Amino acid sequence: QQQVKQSPQSLIVQKGGISIINCAYENTAFDYFPWYQQFPGKGPALLIAIRPDVSEKKEGRFTISFNKSAKQFSLHIMDSQPGDSATYFCAPTLYNQGGKLIFGQGTELSVKP
Amino acid sequence: ETGVTQSPTHLIKTRGQQVTLRCSSQSGHNTVSWYQQALGQGPQFIFQYYREEENGRGNFPPRFSGLQFPNYSSELNVNALELDDSALYLCASSITGRVHYGYTFGSGTRLTVV
Repeated sequence: QQQVKQSPQSLIVQKGGISIINCAYENTAFDYFPWYQQFPGKGPALLIAIRPDVSEKKEGRFTISFNKSAKQFSLHIMDSQPGDSATYFCAPTLYNQGGKLIFGQGTELSVKP
Repeated sequence: ETGVTQSPTHLIKTRGQQVTLRCSSQSGHNTVSWYQQALGQGPQFIFQYYREEENGRGNFPPRFSGLQFPNYSSELNVNALELDDSALYLCASSITGRVHYGYTFGSGTRLTVV
């Protein structure tokens, strides 16, 4: 899925640190930008999402930053905890066309105690 | 809310066989989508069903087919299984027109083709 590129592939962060995951996309028609969290043996679960009319959205320790001109959005996890250890996927979509999710390749986050 | 349930959780099939995977949507959700997740990769969209009709399809061959039933449960059928079909198959339900609430995914069916 070349139209969505996620980085880094893996990330190790100390407890209490900041985790940052980036997502670059090609399709300028995307109009909904979610991040999903997936634990082993489970399906992805919506973590946080943003629409393109705002540049930042914060929910608790999780923040999305959106840069429309650069066609990028990122996930910031503040005060990272061992329980945040999971795989994170960006999955931009065309909201008005049925919302098919285009997943990135995933970032495996490990938060060390 | 009962969430999305998928069955079976694990399955082993032989190359060339056919398989049927099942999904029960979250209560009140009228749209179901299926995704294939290969090991270490992000999920890839297979197709979506709304009002019992296919409503969008990804880059998968016709041997991947589906059904949605009046109670919004769904099936994914794969014919002539190939080794590369080994993956986690995820079902996700949603309410058409309210995608901003996000999809609810099941835990998936792990299919192994030998």
